[in-house]
Amino acid sequence: AQKITQTQPGMFVQEKEAVTLDCTYDTSDQSYGLFWYKQPSSGEMIFLIYQGSYDEQNATEGRYSLNFQKARKSANLVISASQLGDSAMYFCAMREGSGTYKYIFGTGTRLKVLA
Amino acid sequence: DVKVTQSSRYLVKRTGEKVFLECVQDMDHENMFWYRQDPGLGLRLIYFSYDVKMKEKGDIPEGYSVSREKKERFSLILESASTNQTSMYLCASSLFMGLTNEQFFGPGTRLTVL
Repeated sequence: AQKITQTQPGMFVQEKEAVTLDCTYDTSDQSYGLFWYKQPSSGEMIFLIYQGSYDEQNATEGRYSLNFQKARKSANLVISASQLGDSAMYFCAMREGSGTYKYIFGTGTRLKVLA
Repeated sequence: DVKVTQSSRYLVKRTGEKVFLECVQDMDHENMFWYRQDPGLGLRLIYFSYDVKMKEKGDIPEGYSVSREKKERFSLILESASTNQTSMYLCASSLFMGLTNEQFFGPGTRLTVL
């Protein structure tokens, strides 16, 4: 069954440093999409970045990049030059290509950026 | 910009009450979703709808029902609220097809059942 695993419940990072948030997934589909969302304390989920299973290059969006290792079934989020405003919950999610409408979410990682 | 709105940010209800949570999106999205979010459990899908009057159960539909009479509106109904339904409820929408279509979320409703 499809599953998303985020093994880091909480992390700290110093301001201006880079941080990697881990995400592994399990699917039997060849076609799938992977998403990262940010949830600040206000509660609203914000889409950050997307990686398709057939994309050969790692996705990047500004300070966010996705370290996609297909053989290892991992899709780690890398945040460069951390800012205080990056403190939030981060969720990894997957959507399979087998005609489902569903998105599967991990349990999240709470990131705290230290000044 | 896509806008997903939810009727209340905070709601307090009593056990046994019928509770309605409303969600409206303004981008003509076909898909709409209701999740509940609990600490350590992430987001769990309650119901989703892929068209008007169409709905499918998610992973935890027990105790909930939904209604989608218009494309832009998706309602979550707690027929008889119980204390174990105290949670954060998130509504989301997305375009119909395509792996690349991210979900757009509302601000959430924090429901407390006493």
